[in-house]
Amino acid sequence: SQKIEQNSEALNIQEGKTATLTCNYTNYSPAYLQWYRQDPGRGPVFLLLIRENEKEKRKERLKVTFDTTLKQSLFHITASQPADSATYLCALGTGANNLFFGTGTRLTVIP
Amino acid sequence: SAVISQKPSRDICQRGTSLTIQCQVDSQVTMMFWYRQQPGQSLTLIATANQGSEATYESGFVIDKFPISRPNLTFSTLTVSNMSPEDSSIYLCSVEAFRQGRSETQYFGPGTRLLVL
Repeated sequence: SQKIEQNSEALNIQEGKTATLTCNYTNYSPAYLQWYRQDPGRGPVFLLLIRENEKEKRKERLKVTFDTTLKQSLFHITASQPADSATYLCALGTGANNLFFGTGTRLTVIP
Repeated sequence: SAVISQKPSRDICQRGTSLTIQCQVDSQVTMMFWYRQQPGQSLTLIATANQGSEATYESGFVIDKFPISRPNLTFSTLTVSNMSPEDSSIYLCSVEAFRQGRSETQYFGPGTRLLVL
């Protein structure tokens, strides 16, 4: 069966450290993978997209890697801040206007 | 970017009733999407709504339960019919964003939080 698993439901990290979130998938052949941020009571907000032929993407303090052999994406937030506290969702795109979402990891950055 | 609003933002409904959720976009878009996010679950696509044609429903979702309207390029409604407590969820609409002709991402509305008693 198809599955998208994000490493943990919740992750606590000390301010200033690097947060690493994991997204693993099975039985998908994604054309691209996206990461979203979702705050309580709000819809998801797009952060980064990485395509199947790309290994790494960066945007400010964010870095995403995509390993289609391992069927895994890693999402890093460097120099984490309390304002980074939110739920982070990975989503697989199969090129058919359809996104398949993981259940999310709730990140808490402790001051 | 697209700005998306939804009404209502939340509601509490009785079993057996129906609720219509509205989604308004500040620009014309071809495709609009309706998702459900149940507590502790991932976002699940309910259907894709194109203006001028019937909505396309995903496996497990049917038109009788979730009728959708798409009267123009900036507006859509999703109705949750004959509700039961299992329909308690957040309902989100979204639209595609394009860059250089390619679908890059989706913009989401703030969601409608529904509780069915």
